[in-house]
Amino acid sequence: DGGITQSPKYLFRKEGQNVTLSCEQNLNHDAMYWYRQDPGQGLRLIYYSQIVNDFQKGDIAEGYSVSREKKESFPLTVTSAQKNPTAFYLCASSIHNPLRGNQPQHFGDGTRLSIL
Amino acid sequence: GDSVTQMEGPVTLSEEAFLTINCTYTATGYPSLFWYVQYPGEGLQLLLKATKADDKGSNKGFEATYRKETTSFHLEKGSVQVSDSAVYFCALGYNTDKLIFGTGTRLQVFP
Repeated sequence: DGGITQSPKYLFRKEGQNVTLSCEQNLNHDAMYWYRQDPGQGLRLIYYSQIVNDFQKGDIAEGYSVSREKKESFPLTVTSAQKNPTAFYLCASSIHNPLRGNQPQHFGDGTRLSIL
Repeated sequence: GDSVTQMEGPVTLSEEAFLTINCTYTATGYPSLFWYVQYPGEGLQLLLKATKADDKGSNKGFEATYRKETTSFHLEKGSVQVSDSAVYFCALGYNTDKLIFGTGTRLQVFP
């Protein structure tokens, strides 16, 4: 079955550590996204990528980094510079076709990151 | 800038009641509008969409109509079930791939 796989489901970080969240999709989608979800704040865009080897900052990119070396993979690193990393992180993907307008995004089941 | 505003929850209903979740938007252009649903511990799933004014999106008994004159996209269902309990997100997007989400509305349905 095609879909998006995020791992791990739960992740714990010590102060000063970098951690990497995995996101893999087999939907052959060009575009991939990372969101952060906090209670009462909805989803906020961290980074997105429309093509391999290219990505753009979203609304809250500070303290995060990404790479897009392969079409199917878009890992997110939460660096020690992110002072409040405890949140639910969601990865999504979509078809990228500007001629067809905004395409629906398909989401993974999320990774919950907590600080030890 | 563009934004989406949803009614605050939780919305608490008895089974078979009528559901309305309000969503209004501010847009500089002509976006597509979406409703997503999130069940506990999961990611979001697309529920329905509308791409232009007066379009009606529908799925699984849920409906929403793109109202340009009132800048609204309210979600409705005639008879809710306990299994509809979830968080519902309204969102808008242009052909730039980015979506702007509302803060979500939690729906609780009791037997």
